[in-house]
Amino acid sequence: AQSVTQPDIHITVSEGASLELRCNYSYGATPYLFWYVQSPGQGLQLLLKYFSGDTLVQGIKGFEAEFKRSQSSFNLRKPSVHWSDAAEYFCAVGYNNNDMRFGAGTRLTVKP
Amino acid sequence: DGGITQSPKYLFRKEGQNVTLSCEQNLNHDAMYWYRQDPGQGLRLIYYSQIVNDFQKGDIAEGYSVSREKKESFPLTVTSAQKNPTAFYLCASSDITGTEAFFGQGTRLTVV
Repeated sequence: AQSVTQPDIHITVSEGASLELRCNYSYGATPYLFWYVQSPGQGLQLLLKYFSGDTLVQGIKGFEAEFKRSQSSFNLRKPSVHWSDAAEYFCAVGYNNNDMRFGAGTRLTVKP
Repeated sequence: DGGITQSPKYLFRKEGQNVTLSCEQNLNHDAMYWYRQDPGQGLRLIYYSQIVNDFQKGDIAEGYSVSREKKESFPLTVTSAQKNPTAFYLCASSDITGTEAFFGQGTRLTVV
């Protein structure tokens, strides 16, 4: 069965430090890959997505993610974290039957 | 403005009562989804619909029902058969390619 794994439940980084959030998926083919961000009590906002082509994708708010087929991974990165980045981040995979599945999420805390 | 509207934002229900959550979109999307969000479990798919008058069960459909009589509307009914209905419910929609999902702001349901 298709699944998405975000190994880190909670990550704390200092403001200005770099960030990497991990995501692994299991599926026979390359799915569509997404990262979403959620502020408390709100819906989800799309940060970036990958369908095909260049495996390094740029998103909003200075985020980027790299698709690595050999590792079935799609890790999210940001070179310098801002206090406003504190939120919950979800990795998701989508398939051509419109079935989209999400990871359990990683909560990011930013220390001043 | 185009988007997805969920209502109400907060909902209280007595045990044994059915309740319907509203989801409306004006993005002209074919596909619509309902997810349930619990702390530490990410988003779990309840139901999804790819076209009017058709829908499929997700991973946790028991105790829920949906209808898709109009393209723009996908209401979710939480029935009394749902054993633990207190949660945050998110509605989303995407075009037929499923290449991006847009989310509503969510409804927080509390059973009292």
